[in-house]
Amino acid sequence: QSVLTQPPSVSGAPGQRVTISCTGSSSNIGAGYDVHWYQQLPGTAPKLLIYGNSNRPSGVPDRFSGSKSGTSASLAITGLQAEDEADYYCQSYDSSLSGPNWVFGGGTKLTVL
Amino acid sequence: EVQLVETGGGLIQPGGSLRLSCAASGFTVSSNYMSWVRQAPGKGLEWVSVIYSGGSTYYADSVKGRFTISRDNSKNTLYLQMNSLRAEDTAVYYCASRGGGGPDGWFDPWGQGTLVTVSS
Repeated sequence: QSVLTQPPSVSGAPGQRVTISCTGSSSNIGAGYDVHWYQQLPGTAPKLLIYGNSNRPSGVPDRFSGSKSGTSASLAITGLQAEDEADYYCQSYDSSLSGPNWVFGGGTKLTVL
Repeated sequence: EVQLVETGGGLIQPGGSLRLSCAASGFTVSSNYMSWVRQAPGKGLEWVSVIYSGGSTYYADSVKGRFTISRDNSKNTLYLQMNSLRAEDTAVYYCASRGGGGPDGWFDPWGQGTLVTVSS
């Protein structure tokens, strides 16, 4: 059971827009901690996609965007392409324990139809 | 170019020990907050441990008392000593550097990962 909740799967046709939600609580996202997103292509390591809720690292297309509100965050992908088919993870920080604790969502598998 | 390369994974019996290494190039391990993150087969990501630039270390409850994170500044290498291994420790282990200035930073870059399989 992951601390952050994501839908197990989403799908969309090429060119469409999809969103992936990430729901937390008052000890993580709701506490004001930033949310980050990763893309994991099959058989590869996760790659940073969005940092600080809505910032894109150099080289990430502007088709990818992130937002955060309250205890939730969202990743939006517009103009879906076949190469976007991957697993997507959100990540934040949780202050419910005595020491540092970085937490992830369970991951969302994006299928491009 | 910044690069992290993990080695040391393999098949180990329950109760056994293994040491993972993460060699860095293009940046200095000791100047960054370095973490290990693992991913069980077909599962999501789980933060395992961190070593701060000042040397403080922290662990997830699931590995506390069994795993030890360390670094060798002269080799610019991060380590994870894993003892009393259990079947549930089976996973791909990634090393990653933490970005950002606050506690809620992100992980970037990541290594390619090394697979640890705990089985008799």
